[in-house]
Amino acid sequence: AQKVTQAQTEISVVEKEDVTLDCVYETRDTTYYLFWYKQPPSGELVFLIRRNSFDEQNEISGRYSWNFQKSTSSFNFTITASQVVDSAVYFCALSVGYTGGFKTIFGAGTRLFVKA
Amino acid sequence: EPEVTQTPSHQVTQMGQEVILRCVPISNHLYFYWYRQILGQKVEFLVSFYNNEISEKSEIFDDQFSVERPDGSNFTLKIRSTKLEDSAMYFCASRDTGPGFGPGTRLLVL
Repeated sequence: AQKVTQAQTEISVVEKEDVTLDCVYETRDTTYYLFWYKQPPSGELVFLIRRNSFDEQNEISGRYSWNFQKSTSSFNFTITASQVVDSAVYFCALSVGYTGGFKTIFGAGTRLFVKA
Repeated sequence: EPEVTQTPSHQVTQMGQEVILRCVPISNHLYFYWYRQILGQKVEFLVSFYNNEISEKSEIFDDQFSVERPDGSNFTLKIRSTKLEDSAMYFCASRDTGPGFGPGTRLLVL
């Protein structure tokens, strides 16, 4: 069975602090995709990143960076120099294939508060 | 870049009424999905649809739910007799290898 664990329910930081959101996943599939989404108060799921299971290269996009480690089944997300606009719920998700397509399993989410 | 669209963005209905949520997937995609997010909870898989039939469904997707692709572009989720607990955000998705979620429909059942 597949599972995504985001152990941090809520994190509160002061603007300009760095913050890391943890994600641990479980799957027996060798081919899978990992995602991070941002969900602002308006409710939409804003796609941030997708990694496939064969690409462990870490990625940086502006203030965002992601650390994918298959050895520990983790896909952590770091925001550098956080801003108030980063306040949102962040979901880590795992997508695995089956005969019907792909199924995406979400973690419970981490609510990030960035205070000015 | 093409995106998944959903209508309506918000819907309020009375318990026991039928609702139809609409989605326009990305045009060349073959697989379509519905997900649900109850307020404050995580996003959950409801159903996948391929080749004009359901390919997988979760235990949430019971007999009150149905999906169809009535024409070449729309993908709908029907809830026959809504319950209070159906109040949630419903997301449509289509994909080739990466999920493109629609903006969601916020359903409120009174």
